[in-house]
Amino acid sequence: DQQVKQNSPSLSVQEGRISILNCDYTNSMFDYFLWYKKYPAEGPTFLISISSIKDKNEDGRFTVFLNKSAKHLSLHIVPSQPGDSAVYFCAARNSGGSNYKLTFGKGTLLTVNP
Amino acid sequence: DTGVSQNPRHKITKRGQNVTFRCDPISEHNRLYWYRQTLGQGPEFLTYFQNEAQLEKSRLLSDRFSAERPKGSFSTLEIQRTEQGDSAMYLCASSSRGQASQEQFFGPGTRLTVL
Repeated sequence: DQQVKQNSPSLSVQEGRISILNCDYTNSMFDYFLWYKKYPAEGPTFLISISSIKDKNEDGRFTVFLNKSAKHLSLHIVPSQPGDSAVYFCAARNSGGSNYKLTFGKGTLLTVNP
Repeated sequence: DTGVSQNPRHKITKRGQNVTFRCDPISEHNRLYWYRQTLGQGPEFLTYFQNEAQLEKSRLLSDRFSAERPKGSFSTLEIQRTEQGDSAMYLCASSSRGQASQEQFFGPGTRLTVL
């Protein structure tokens, strides 16, 4: 069963516009969420995270919003740049668990067109 | 470079052969993880070490897979009698204890192709 879902396999955006990537989760025990960015032939790179005690976290052009009641989070990138083109993974973990493992979605390929 | 490193970056092997991958975590990180990523999927958890102790193994990790982390530093992942279904990117990640432990830092991965 897919506990973290990214329902959009791909997203195309014009440079300078906002990119919104969405993620849904089903496990109510998840309390910490992360976004990773991945270029081809490289490992995932940590972008931004949010704890379940918050509903928003901002870091430069990147903002993550969390709606716990809907079990939904989103990553906003403003303004989008061509260098942002990559696969974005949403990940979640249960901080009360003993192994700290992350559960990932399948990813969304973002293409930012110049 | 003080990031997570993995060797080799690519491995091509014939079905039935054994392969071993190495991961060197960020030096002060005591937690180390192995994940596997196949095409069109996100990384999937395989196993987790805290220092030298292997604390959890996923059911994805069949008996043909074994991981070690002697002395709590680098780790190795061995696959015996490889099968074509083992073809994937094998990712290693590490994290520190304490407040910063939530973020895991990934290496570049080892891409395994089983012919």
